Amino acid sequence: EAQVTQNPRYLITVTGKKLTVTCSQNMNHEYMSWYRQDPGLGLRQIYYSMNVEVTDKGDVPEGYKVSRKEKRNFPLILESPSPNQTSLYFCASSPHLRANYGYTFGSGTRLTVV
Amino acid sequence: AQTVTQSQPEMSVQEAETVTLSCTYDTSESDYYLFWYKQPPSRQMILVIRQEAYKQQNATENRFSVNFQKAAKSFSLKISDSQLGDAAMYFCAYRAGLQGAQKLVFGQGTRLTINP
Repeated sequence: EAQVTQNPRYLITVTGKKLTVTCSQNMNHEYMSWYRQDPGLGLRQIYYSMNVEVTDKGDVPEGYKVSRKEKRNFPLILESPSPNQTSLYFCASSPHLRANYGYTFGSGTRLTVV
Repeated sequence: AQTVTQSQPEMSVQEAETVTLSCTYDTSESDYYLFWYKQPPSRQMILVIRQEAYKQQNATENRFSVNFQKAAKSFSLKISDSQLGDAAMYFCAYRAGLQGAQKLVFGQGTRLTINP
């Protein structure tokens, strides 16, 4: 089944403890991206990648890192999480940057930082 | 910068009735795409319908249709014969065709409740 797989689905952590949210797609998509969803704000882009080793900042990149060493994987790294990073996170992919249809989303990761 | 606005935080409708969710957007681009996503309690983001800006004909997918008014920059979603399974958060989204194509810009969302 074609899908984007995110792990974990839920995560509770403490301030300052490094964590990684994994994202993997099995559709050979070039484009991948991370979004965070907050009430009243919709979804906002954190980082995106147009291909292996090509990443760039989205609208809210502060406090996050990403890497794209393989085409299928695009992990999101929070090196020193803070409570304002408590949010619902989505990974998404698309065949390429300008594919004229919507993205395929993962099932989301609910992160709580205490 | 492109923006998307959903002015109805919550809507409710009786089962089997029709409901329209509003969305407006702001862009100076002529080439772009618009989408409606559904997010049920499972949190999954499900593409409901999409519209290419260059197409004058409104998109339709079964009970879901859009009213695309390009000059007014309006993109509303109509759900006919509402069903209990339609209850969800609905997001309107925009993607530029060229400049700014690297992201979807989302509205704030509208929570739709279906009353039995």
